[in-house]
Amino acid sequence: DAGVTQSPTHLIKTRGQQVTLRCSPKSGHDTVSWYQQALGQGPQFIFQYYEEEERQRGNFPDRFSGHQFPNYSSELNVNALLLGDSALYLCASSTRGNYGYTFGSGTRLTVV
Amino acid sequence: GIQVEQSPPDLILQEGANSTLRCNFSDSVNNLQWFHQNPWGQLINLFYIPSGTKQNGRLSATTVATERYSLLYISSSQTTDSGVYFCAVGPISGGYNKLIFGAGTRLAVHP
Repeated sequence: DAGVTQSPTHLIKTRGQQVTLRCSPKSGHDTVSWYQQALGQGPQFIFQYYEEEERQRGNFPDRFSGHQFPNYSSELNVNALLLGDSALYLCASSTRGNYGYTFGSGTRLTVV
Repeated sequence: GIQVEQSPPDLILQEGANSTLRCNFSDSVNNLQWFHQNPWGQLINLFYIPSGTKQNGRLSATTVATERYSLLYISSSQTTDSGVYFCAVGPISGGYNKLIFGAGTRLAVHP
């Protein structure tokens, strides 16, 4: 039973560019959440998707957007990249009404 | 919003030692979890423990919800216990399983 799969594992982008990160949830999970983890800090909640809609959003600018597909997989898009967007981006899947979270290994984004 | 504070921020142990990690939170929660992040970045769920006490092998956790704190105990530590331990809470008003993480406790266990 595959867990949460994220791609790519590493990515280097230039300031001002756009990036798309992908996440496939654990089998049986229908909810996907995205977190940003800067170096030396705890993960910060970006947003959560359920039934292909953004249900909750953290304190992140509109440059951060997402999408959930009918098969529950999800994308995180970041426009106009800043140096401060360099971080580990974590995807977590869960089932509605269940507090159990499964995290992926993350995508490490470096903006130069 | 809710604040989550973890202590100590850093901890160095000799193999075989015991330790206690603490998590304080500023408001009522309906969800509290402990995670271990390994050196490759993978977050592994250790406990879902909004209240009470649980044990899993050498690890155990206790949450006193009325006093807004949780403790993670590691006994007979091993080098594989090294990494960062995070406490994460879900505020009652948050809904939808949103988690707010503390800054973590960085644990290094030396042989």
